[in-house]
Amino acid sequence: NAGVTQTPKFRVLKTGQSMTLLCAQDMNHEYMYWYRQDPGMGLRLIHYSVGEGTTAKGEVPDGYNVSRLKKQNFLLGLESAAPSQTSVYFCASSYSLRVGNQPQHFGDGTRLSIL
Amino acid sequence: GEDVEQSLFLSVREGDSSVINCTYTDSSSTYLYWYKQEPGAGLQLLTYIFSNMDMKQDQRLTVLLNKKDKHLSLRIADTQTGDSAIYFCAEKVSDAGNMLTFGGGTRLMVKP
Repeated sequence: NAGVTQTPKFRVLKTGQSMTLLCAQDMNHEYMYWYRQDPGMGLRLIHYSVGEGTTAKGEVPDGYNVSRLKKQNFLLGLESAAPSQTSVYFCASSYSLRVGNQPQHFGDGTRLSIL
Repeated sequence: GEDVEQSLFLSVREGDSSVINCTYTDSSSTYLYWYKQEPGAGLQLLTYIFSNMDMKQDQRLTVLLNKKDKHLSLRIADTQTGDSAIYFCAEKVSDAGNMLTFGGGTRLMVKP
């Protein structure tokens, strides 16, 4: 059982380039999330999805787009990368029950550097 | 708005107990979580506590919740070098979307 898998693990981009980060989960989770982690700031939510075909903005959505065409995949896109987007990106997923304990499960992260 | 605060750094000696503290502001939090992040890895769920509980024990881990003061702590007994990591507390702030707000993380260093 792979859990949450992120690709790629590392990437270096030049300012203005575009790229897509892929997240795949095999736990049949309805909810998926993209976070960025910066030193001393914990995790900040970029976008999330509560189901196939739906996405919503999180705390820091500017400069990013997402798509959830299949339930198991959640893509994060950078259309025109900027140095401020240098960060470690984490994907997470969880079940959708509205009450109760539904912890989020995390991938191992993608380290992205924008030069 | 919601805010979760943690101290940045904690250093202990192997075999001692570690106590990592967290304060939060949203009184409607239902669940509070502790995650562990080892170098180069993602966040691993350690334990959680429901908001109507004061304490939860899970082997070497003890979680204490003071809901009046909005204070959460994680105690690690007999701390080992393998416990060296960053520890994040998080509160569940919304059932819709199962949203979490994370603290900035506490780096625990265990000295042999």
